[in-house]
Formats: sequence, structure tokens, C-alpha cells
Amino acid sequence: DGGITQSPKYLFRKEGQNVTLSCEQNLNHDAMYWYRQDPGQGLRLIYYSQIVNDFQKGDIAEGYSVSREKKESFPLTVTSAQKNPTAFYLCASSTGQGKIYNEQFFGPGTRLTVL
Amino acid sequence: DAKTTQPPSMDCAEGRAANLPCNHSTISGNEYVYWYRQIHSQGPQYIIHGLKNNETNEMASLIITEDRKSSTLILPHATLRDTAVYYCIVRASYDKVIFGPGTSLSVIP
Repeated sequence: DGGITQSPKYLFRKEGQNVTLSCEQNLNHDAMYWYRQDPGQGLRLIYYSQIVNDFQKGDIAEGYSVSREKKESFPLTVTSAQKNPTAFYLCASSTGQGKIYNEQFFGPGTRLTVL
Repeated sequence: DAKTTQPPSMDCAEGRAANLPCNHSTISGNEYVYWYRQIHSQGPQYIIHGLKNNETNEMASLIITEDRKSSTLILPHATLRDTAVYYCIVRASYDKVIFGPGTSLSVIP
């Protein structure tokens, strides 16, 4: 089955610790994204990558970092510099830029709680 | 990307059609209208998209006004499993997508 996997589903960390969220896709999509969702809110874009070894900041990139060393993987690190990291994190992928019907496919999300 | 406005919540009786409106008065000529939905604590799911013409698929129908300043997503026979938050997004054929707070649809038995 093709799709996007995120692990773990729930993650707990102590304040001040960095944590890395996993996102893997086997859809052969060029573009990948990370979003943050707070209770009752829409999604806010953290980072996106349109191609391997390249990524761009989204609207709320401060306190986060990413890498895109492989087409199928786009891990997100939540650093200690992120002031309020507790949130629901969603990863998505889509076919690359220039494709008209490039709807995004989302993973199941990781709920991060910082204690 | 153009901004969209949606009602924060709606109710619909099970088996009836659910009509979810979206205003996108600043949409530009090359921007498509997309609809996604999110069931509680899951990732959003793509429903349908369109540019100018009305569209229909196995999940829903999308009606876009002639001036393209608003659209309506129609779920023809709503079921309890259609209870979700529905997001209307407008975008051109590049990759950023902006999700607002959406409409929380409750399907009532």
C-alpha cells in the first residue's frame, strides 16, 4: 500500500530536549511538507521541500529544523528554541511543482507533548 | 494564495445533503479551489478540486459560481462518518497550501 507514515503517534519529551519526528512516503512524490496544528485551529506550514537536498521555511519555521537527504524521508526536529512545542504535527506529500492537480496526501500525525 | 472564509460550524441531518459554503472573493485567475476534510485526530483527506467548472466525484460535488468568488461543497447523502472539519483552500499550481480554521460539520442521526 502506498502512503505516508509518521511515527510515533504520541510522543512525550521533557522541556529543553530536542526531538525528531519521522515522516516517510512511498508515493514517489517530489514535494513534502510539515504542518503544525493547535487545538481548534487550522494548519500552519513549518517547512516544505520540493526536491531532495532543498527545503524552504514556511510561516512558523523558528525553533524547527528539517533535512531532505532522501526523496522518501523528511524528518522534522523540534529544538529547545521552540517556545511552545506541544502540538499535533502533520506531514504531507504531493507531486512536484508544475503539476496542476497536486493535491496533498497527509500522514496520520504525531501528537507531541512537552512536559 | 487568496484568503477564504467559511462558517465555523454547521449541522446536517443524516441522509440529507450537506452544503458547505466558502467565500474566496480575492481569488485570481490561475487559482484552483480545493476541499479537504479532517476527522478528529487524523490527517486531512483530499476531497475534490476545481477551477471554473462544477466537478463531481465519488465523494462530493463542487459548485463554483460564475465569478469564482464563492463555492459550495455538496455531500449528497450525509452519513455520521462525514462528521469532520472541512477546509476550503484556494491555490495556484505550486505547492504551498494555507489551511484556515474550516467548518466543523456535525451530521445528526
